[in-house]
Amino acid sequence: AQSVSQHNHHVILSEAASLELGCNYSYGGTVNLFWYVQYPGQHLQLLLKYFSGDPLVKGIKGFEAEFIKSKFSFNLRKPSVQWSDTAEYFCAVIETGGFKTIFGAGTRLFVKA
Amino acid sequence: NAGVTQTPKFQVLKTGQSMTLQCAQDMNHNSMYWYRQDPGMGLRLIYYSASEGTTDKGEVPNGYNVSRLNKREFSLRLESAAPSQTSVYFCASLQGAPTDTQYFGPGTRLTVL
Repeated sequence: AQSVSQHNHHVILSEAASLELGCNYSYGGTVNLFWYVQYPGQHLQLLLKYFSGDPLVKGIKGFEAEFIKSKFSFNLRKPSVQWSDTAEYFCAVIETGGFKTIFGAGTRLFVKA
Repeated sequence: NAGVTQTPKFQVLKTGQSMTLQCAQDMNHNSMYWYRQDPGMGLRLIYYSASEGTTDKGEVPNGYNVSRLNKREFSLRLESAAPSQTSVYFCASLQGAPTDTQYFGPGTRLTVL
């Protein structure tokens, strides 16, 4: 069965620190990969996605993620976090051609001002 | 556009009661989803509807039924609520291809006593 692992459940950083959130998936075929974010009191919204082409994808608010097929990974990065990045981050996978979406358990990020 | 709307926002049920969670989208999207969000477990897919007239099981379908009433509406029914179904339920819609963005509703917080 497909699964998505997010390694860190809670991360605390100071402003201007660099961020990397891990995401690994288990699935033998080709996949589409997503990072969603849920800010306090708001709906989940898309940060970025990968489905083909350049494995380094850029999203909103300075976030980027790199798809490494050999490692089944899609880690999220940001060079310098802000207090406003405090949120919960979810990695998600859909098998190519399908609609069934599997989410990871999420990572709660708290950025200290 | 209201996007994805869910009713009710909050609900308290007693064990064994039934209820239906409503979801509607006004974006003319083809696919719709129901998830539950529990602490430490992320979002888990309950059911999805890739297109009007079709529904499929997700990761945790037991104890739930769904109806894709028309292109706009996708309801989730709990026939006999159990305390294990205490959760926050999210509905989402997706325009067409699995590479598209999912748009989420505000959620329904359900407590089963």
